[in-house]
Amino acid sequence: EIVMTQSPATLSVSPGERVTLSCWASQSVSTNLAWYQQKPGQAPRLLIYGASTRATGISARFSGSGSGTEFTLTISSLQSQDFALYYCQQYNNWLAFGGGTKVELK
Amino acid sequence: QGQLVESGGGVVQPGGSLRLSCAASGFTFSNYGMHWVRQAPGKGLEWVTFIRYDGTNKYYADSVKGRFNISRDNSKNTLYLQMNSLRPEDTAVYYCAKDPPYGFWYFDLWGRGTLVTVSS
Repeated sequence: EIVMTQSPATLSVSPGERVTLSCWASQSVSTNLAWYQQKPGQAPRLLIYGASTRATGISARFSGSGSGTEFTLTISSLQSQDFALYYCQQYNNWLAFGGGTKVELK
Repeated sequence: QGQLVESGGGVVQPGGSLRLSCAASGFTFSNYGMHWVRQAPGKGLEWVTFIRYDGTNKYYADSVKGRFNISRDNSKNTLYLQMNSLRPEDTAVYYCAKDPPYGFWYFDLWGRGTLVTVSS
């Protein structure tokens, strides 16, 4: 079983800041890694798949990188609508979600 | 892009049963594998079950194996989740979610979810 770990659990940031979220896999998942954004009371929304490919309609502010066991999601300039929970998910071996990182207003 | 709309949630006693539905529109439902993913109150996401596009293969998380059954009716563009022997720990928002093309197990479309509460 692959365990996904996200850090930090909470990130306090100001609008306009560059934000980097981290996700680690307990063993290699190649680039079979997705990122989701979830706002309160809403379903998750796919942001990134294949570790670095933006999903349809996703702003270029969001970028993903990494392979193997270490991955990052970067938001280049945080907008007010980006305050949310972010989850990573591996789909290389079965599937597993990380515990999430909450991006909140500083 | 499509839309998924879940229904059938509610309050049920421990040991009881509930059937969830997920109505799909805006895409060719019969071409895609489908999943149920749940989220307990204040917790993270937990994958529950998957069904292949044609219904021939099904997979379940260990936590629900033997109690839950996923099915689909491609003529009605609808996904189902039959939940039996429900436990308080099954309390969650249940989302249906769609596979992308080529069968990778990430989710490119989600419904808004339906809340299941298991409580006496």
